[in-house]
Amino acid sequence: EDKVVQSPLSLVVHEGDTVTLNCSYEVTNFRSLLWYKQEKKAPTFLFMLTSSGIEKKSGRLSSILDKKELFSILNITATQTGDSAIYLCAGGSGTYKYIFGTGTRLKVLA
Amino acid sequence: DAGVIQSPRHEVTEMGQEVTLRCKPISGHNSLFWYRQTMMRGLELLIYFNNNVPIDDSGMPEDRFSAKMPNASFSTLKIQPSEPRDSAVYFCASSPRIQGGEQYFGPGTRLTVT
Repeated sequence: EDKVVQSPLSLVVHEGDTVTLNCSYEVTNFRSLLWYKQEKKAPTFLFMLTSSGIEKKSGRLSSILDKKELFSILNITATQTGDSAIYLCAGGSGTYKYIFGTGTRLKVLA
Repeated sequence: DAGVIQSPRHEVTEMGQEVTLRCKPISGHNSLFWYRQTMMRGLELLIYFNNNVPIDDSGMPEDRFSAKMPNASFSTLKIQPSEPRDSAVYFCASSPRIQGGEQYFGPGTRLTVT
């Protein structure tokens, strides 16, 4: 059965810290991985990763995929209180179906 | 550009009543998804439409759930009769891609069945 596991389940850091969120996956015919940020509402799209070893960046956020070891990481540098959210990753096959992890709950303290 | 629009945002109903959730996808997106999110099970795909045609409804939990997409700009998810265990946040998402790719989520409908 396909599955996506995220770790840690929750994390509390102080502003300015750097955090690394992990996502491991077992997805049949894997093609791509998605990262989302979910605050008190809908998940907001962050990154789509399809190739191993190529880092994607957006401001203080970056992510990379390792298709050999079947995992991805999401890094956030110089964290701010506005980064507090649940971060979701989802592994997908070549079709439409993505399996979502249960998320990492990040809290950034001022 | 407007994102995915869902209504209502909150719904409280009594067990046994019919519930209809509505979704307007982003214009030009040809894939539409309905998800359910609970604390216990996270985000689960209920049904997927491509070009208004239901492709995969294997995630629909029971016959009490049904979904339609009469045109490219509107979809409904209906629960009849509703039960307390249906309480969850229901998200609609759309994607510009047919096979794999980013999905854009609506604000969700928080359903409470008493």
